[in-house]
Amino acid sequence: EIVLTQSPGTLSLSPGERATLSCRASQSVTSSYLAWYQQKPGQAPRLLMSGASSRATGIPDRFSGSGSGTDFTLTITRLEPEDFAVYYCQQYGSSPYTFGQGTKLEIK
Amino acid sequence: EVQLVQSGAEVKKPGESLKISCKGSGYSFSTSWIGWVRQMPGKGLEWMGIIFPSDSDTRYSPSFQGQVTISAVKSINTAYLQWSSLKASDTAIYYCVRHVYGIDWGQGTLVTVSS
Repeated sequence: EIVLTQSPGTLSLSPGERATLSCRASQSVTSSYLAWYQQKPGQAPRLLMSGASSRATGIPDRFSGSGSGTDFTLTITRLEPEDFAVYYCQQYGSSPYTFGQGTKLEIK
Repeated sequence: EVQLVQSGAEVKKPGESLKISCKGSGYSFSTSWIGWVRQMPGKGLEWMGIIFPSDSDTRYSPSFQGQVTISAVKSINTAYLQWSSLKASDTAIYYCVRHVYGIDWGQGTLVTVSS
């Protein structure tokens, strides 16, 4: 089973700043089959990114994903107030399709 | 428009059985994987398992194998998650998701298990 470790656990930033979230896998993720999700309180998660770097429908271009192998990054340039939420990565290259533990992005 | 509509909240006692549902519409239900994700109170997301309705090919996380059963009835575009004997630790929100990664998510079903 691939274990995903997200860092940092909590990230405190101000609107307009840049956020960099990390997701590290315990072994290589097949074909960069890595997704990112955003979850706000009381809501279901929303897909942001698949294939490590392909934005889902309707996701603004201030969100970008990169990485391969065991190291992946979600970058949010110019944070908007609605971006403060919890972010999860998930690998779907090897069953079980595990999630990271999440990074909470909070307003500083 | 793709929709995944889940059954309503449940309150059960330990030892009771339960089956919750997820009805898909707006896409080809039979030929799209449907998965289940658990979120315990105040915690992160846990992948439980997945089913391909066309042939009922099912895969479970080792953490949930033997604890739950995932099934689907393609004629009514509905997937299920069931327990034969609930525990207090099963208290959580359960989400169904479309595809091997969650392109679309159901609204979640809150399951509360308490004596």
